Formats: sequence, C-alpha cells, structure tokens
Amino acid sequence: GNSVTQMEGPVTLSEEAFLTINCTYTATGYPSLFWYVQYPGEGLQLLLKATKADDKGSNKGFEATYRKETTSFHLEKGSVQVSDSAVYFCALSDRWTVNRDDKIIFGKGTRLHILP
Amino acid sequence: GAVVSQHPSWVICKSGTSVKIECRSLDFQATTMFWYRQFPKQSLMLMATSNEGSKATYEQGVEKDKFLINHASLTLSTLTVTSAHPEDSSFYICSAVQVQENIQYFGAGTRLSVL
Repeated sequence: GNSVTQMEGPVTLSEEAFLTINCTYTATGYPSLFWYVQYPGEGLQLLLKATKADDKGSNKGFEATYRKETTSFHLEKGSVQVSDSAVYFCALSDRWTVNRDDKIIFGKGTRLHILP
Repeated sequence: GAVVSQHPSWVICKSGTSVKIECRSLDFQATTMFWYRQFPKQSLMLMATSNEGSKATYEQGVEKDKFLINHASLTLSTLTVTSAHPEDSSFYICSAVQVQENIQYFGAGTRLSVL
C-alpha cells in the first residue's frame, strides 16, 4: 500500500545551519506530496506542496522537489532559525488531486530543534 | 490560505462525561472533513471521514458509538467523545478539504484530558 517514510528525529542544529529532512514514498499512480509543520501545542499547517514530478514547492525559505525517479520529496532550508523549531510531517495524497474521497497519508514526523 | 477553526482548544472533563468538539471552515464550504487523533510525539491517526449530509466513514478499529461524528452543514462538523475515559485523553485534530485549491486545511487541535 501507499506509505511515507521520513527520517527519524530529533534533529538538532545550530542557527543558520543547512537543513535536510529526508522523505521517500511508495504510491500507485501520481500522488501529490506535501510537507506540513506543527509548532508546539498547535495543529498542522501546510508548509509546501508539489503535485507532479519535478515540481518544486517552496515557502518561508523551505524547498522540496518532487523526484519521481527516486520517489523522494526531501525538505531543505539553507539557513534555519530558532523559530523553525517544530515537527515536520511529510505526506502524500494518493490520487492525482485531493478531492472529497482522498485521504492524506502522513509520515511519522521529524522533530527539529534549532539552537541559538 | 483558508481557515479552519476548532473549538475548544483544550478541555478537561471527568470520566464518564461526553465532550463535543467543533470544527468549522470559516471561509469555504467543505463537504468533506477529517478527524485525526495524535498521541504524544507520534503522527496523526485518521479516525474518520466526515461527509456532509451522510454518515461518517470510520477507520478500522475506531468505535463509531464512542466517537460520534455529525456533519450537519457545509461548514461544520462535530466530534463527540461519549462516556470519556482517561485512555481517550489525546490531541484531536480536524481538517477540511478546500476542493478548489486541492488542499486540506487543519484546525489548531483540541487537547482532551479525561480525569
């Protein structure tokens, strides 16, 4: 079945370091891919998305490229800040577009700690 | 982006009582909403799919009589935890599908603590 695998945390970095959180997926068809972020005590916020191969999603300095050949959607940021400390979830929707029947499949989440 | 409001954000109740959680899409209509449960330091577990005007679809292992879902309008779904027990203590999160954007927006979550 469809699944998402992301690197286990916690990941601890110093401020201004380069960030990579790996995410790979298995899916039939052409899934849409997402990164969600969850700040402490809050719900999930959509960080970025990509709907087809080679698409690059970007937001708030974060980027992820939909790589069909490697079934990956790694999250990157060139210079992290303390405020980026949160849990990051990689996710996929297992149809071409998200519609009323779609479910999102989440990875287990990666906790990120940024030290000042 | 679109906004999904979830209320209350935190509730404490006694064992045996029922608790209702509301999920509203504030600036769009949502025929489909989802309810998730999240245990500490874990991912989200989909509990059920809430469909406006029809019965909810529950995931395997989720007790439909325990977790009552009502999607009475295009902007409101409610989750009622009936006869709550301490093991029901968790973080409950709802989401709503914004079809035009093809995005699922999430509420801020409700932390339930059952004493």
